[in-house]
Amino acid sequence: GAGVSQSPSNKVTEKGKDVELRCDPISGHTALYWYRQSLGQGLEFLIYFQGNSAPDKSGLPSDRFSAERTGGSVSTLTIQRTQQEDSAVYLCASSLVRTTNTGELFFGEGSRLTVL
Amino acid sequence: GESVGLHLPTLSVQEGDNSIINCAYSNSASDYFIWYKQESGKGPQFIIDIRSNMDKRQGQRVTVLLNKTVKHLSLQIAATQPGDSAVYFCAESERGKLIFGQGTELSVKP
Repeated sequence: GAGVSQSPSNKVTEKGKDVELRCDPISGHTALYWYRQSLGQGLEFLIYFQGNSAPDKSGLPSDRFSAERTGGSVSTLTIQRTQQEDSAVYLCASSLVRTTNTGELFFGEGSRLTVL
Repeated sequence: GESVGLHLPTLSVQEGDNSIINCAYSNSASDYFIWYKQESGKGPQFIIDIRSNMDKRQGQRVTVLLNKTVKHLSLQIAATQPGDSAVYFCAESERGKLIFGQGTELSVKP
C-alpha cells in the first residue's frame, strides 16, 4: 500500500481479554517499530524489528506484551490479559533501513485501545 | 526513563510570526536527531533531521539548530500558519531506535 496500515483503528475490550493489533508496513521497508502513546503523552518505544528478528524488545512493559513479524512484512502486537493501564494508542512505523542510517520513520495512524 | 525532553509543553503564536520549539537531550553519544509533527488523530510525520556533525539544517520554512555543547535542539518555523498547529516531538537515535520527547503543542492564533 501507499503507507503504513494499522488495524483495528479502534478496539474496545474488557479487562482480562487478549487483543491483537496488526501493522502492515510500507512494502520493502525492512525495519518496523511499535510505539505506545498515552493520552497527551509522548511516544514510548516498545519494540523494533529488523527483518523478522527483534534486536530490541526493551520497551515491552511486561511479559503480557509480545510481538512478531513474519515474512519481513506484517507484524502483530499481542497484549494478553489486558489491564486498564494498557489503554493507549499503539503506533506502528516502518523505515527503509535502520534509523541510525537514514532516520525517517513512516507512521501509521495508530490503533486506539480502550480497556474497560 | 526518557532521554529527550522539551522545555515547554505548550506554545501559542500569532499567525505570521516565527515559532521556536526547544528540546533538551541527555545522551551526548546521540548522533542523529529528528523533528516530527503530529496532528490530532494522526501518526507523527517527519519534518526535518540533523546529524551531530552539523549545527544547522534548513528545510522549507523550517530550520533545526543543534548545540552539542549544551545538548540542545530547536525547531524554528518561519511565518507560522494555522496548518502548523500540532504537537511537535524531537527524537534522538539510540542503537537503532528513536527515543521521543514529550512533545510541545503549538497553537497558532489567527
